[in-house]
Amino acid sequence: NAGVTQTPKFQVLKTGQSMTLQCAQDMNHNSMYWYRQDPGMGLRLIYYSASEGTTDKGEVPNGYNVSRLNKREFSLRLESAAPSQTSVYFCASQSLGGTYEQYFGPGTRLTVT
Amino acid sequence: SQKIEQNSEALNIQEGKTATLTCNYTNYSPAYLQWYRQDPGRGPVFLLLIRENEKEKRKERLKVTFDTTLKQSLFHITASQPADSATYLCALGSMEYGNKLVFGAGTILRVKS
Repeated sequence: NAGVTQTPKFQVLKTGQSMTLQCAQDMNHNSMYWYRQDPGMGLRLIYYSASEGTTDKGEVPNGYNVSRLNKREFSLRLESAAPSQTSVYFCASQSLGGTYEQYFGPGTRLTVT
Repeated sequence: SQKIEQNSEALNIQEGKTATLTCNYTNYSPAYLQWYRQDPGRGPVFLLLIRENEKEKRKERLKVTFDTTLKQSLFHITASQPADSATYLCALGSMEYGNKLVFGAGTILRVKS
């Protein structure tokens, strides 16, 4: 069981460039999430997917798009990167039985110059 | 909008003492509250869940209390060890909001030997 995997681990972009962050989980969870974490601000929800084929905006969706490719994979796309998108990005999947715990990937550290 | 406050300053304690971390919230009626541990450069890891109808939950050296009247949770680590040093995040969830979690910014705990 790999849990939640994310690629890449690090990325540097120039303003205006685009990129896709990949996320996959092998726990058969329906719900998946993308967060960004900035110093002093905690985890903020960008987008989430309650099940395969559905996606919804979270607290800070502007500048991002997502695709729930199948039950395992949930990708986050930055179409035109801005310095304000410099952050650490975490993908998570959630168990809806018992503890509702979220399982997090190792994160992607993105710098936009 | 929902607001969660955790001690913004780091908590420094001596090994063997009990660490107590606070999580206060407003504008929210959570069905449950979770605590996560986050080590530098890694994603958060789930520790404990406590439901709205539970006053206290224990797991090994960890104890969580939940007071829905005060809108507060306390997280205790007894007999603390340097290995307990990390950032601790609280998160609120409710089926009313589709089990999306709202996270606090976290409190850094440093345990000195």
